[in-house]
Amino acid sequence: EIVMTQSPATLSVSPGERATLSCRTSQSVSSNLAWYQQKPGQAPRLLIHDTSTRATGIPARFSGSGAGTEFTLTISSLQSEDFAVYYCQQYNDWPRTFGQGTKVEIK
Amino acid sequence: EVQLVESGGGLVRPGGSLRLSCAASGFIFNSYSMSWVRRAPGKGLEWVSYISGSGNAIYYADSVKGRFTISRDNARSSLYLQMNSLRAEDTAVYYCANRGYYFDYWGQGTLVTVSS
Repeated sequence: EIVMTQSPATLSVSPGERATLSCRTSQSVSSNLAWYQQKPGQAPRLLIHDTSTRATGIPARFSGSGAGTEFTLTISSLQSEDFAVYYCQQYNDWPRTFGQGTKVEIK
Repeated sequence: EVQLVESGGGLVRPGGSLRLSCAASGFIFNSYSMSWVRRAPGKGLEWVSYISGSGNAIYYADSVKGRFTISRDNARSSLYLQMNSLRAEDTAVYYCANRGYYFDYWGQGTLVTVSS
């Protein structure tokens, strides 16, 4: 099983600042990596797939990068609605696996 | 508009069974693989099971293999998860999700609580 490790566990950021979230995989997943946002009481929402492709309707302030085993989600200027938990997920192999999540909170 | 609506959750005793359903609309159901993903209280997301559009390919997480069975009825645009021999650690919100690689549409989830 591919183990996903996200860092940091919690990120404290002021509105308008840049947030950088990391995801490391225990083996290469090529570019088969996605990012999700989840708010309390809501279903996860797909933000990024194929490492860097924004899903439909996702604002341009969200961007993804990386390859192999190291990936990054960047939120260029945090808006109030962006405070949430973010998960990375690999789909290069079975079982599909998620990271443990990074909580982005208001500083 | 794509909609996925789960039902069938509830409180069940350890060792008991439940059958979850997911009603899909807004897309050609039999053209898409489907998955179940869960989130236990205070924990992260965990993929549970996958079924291809035809139903011919099925995968399970090791944590549920031999206890859970995924199925679909393409005529009814519905996805199912039969859960047997339930354990306390199966307590979670269960989501159905479109596809089996990344998950682009999700239902709102149904809560399963396993407790005596």
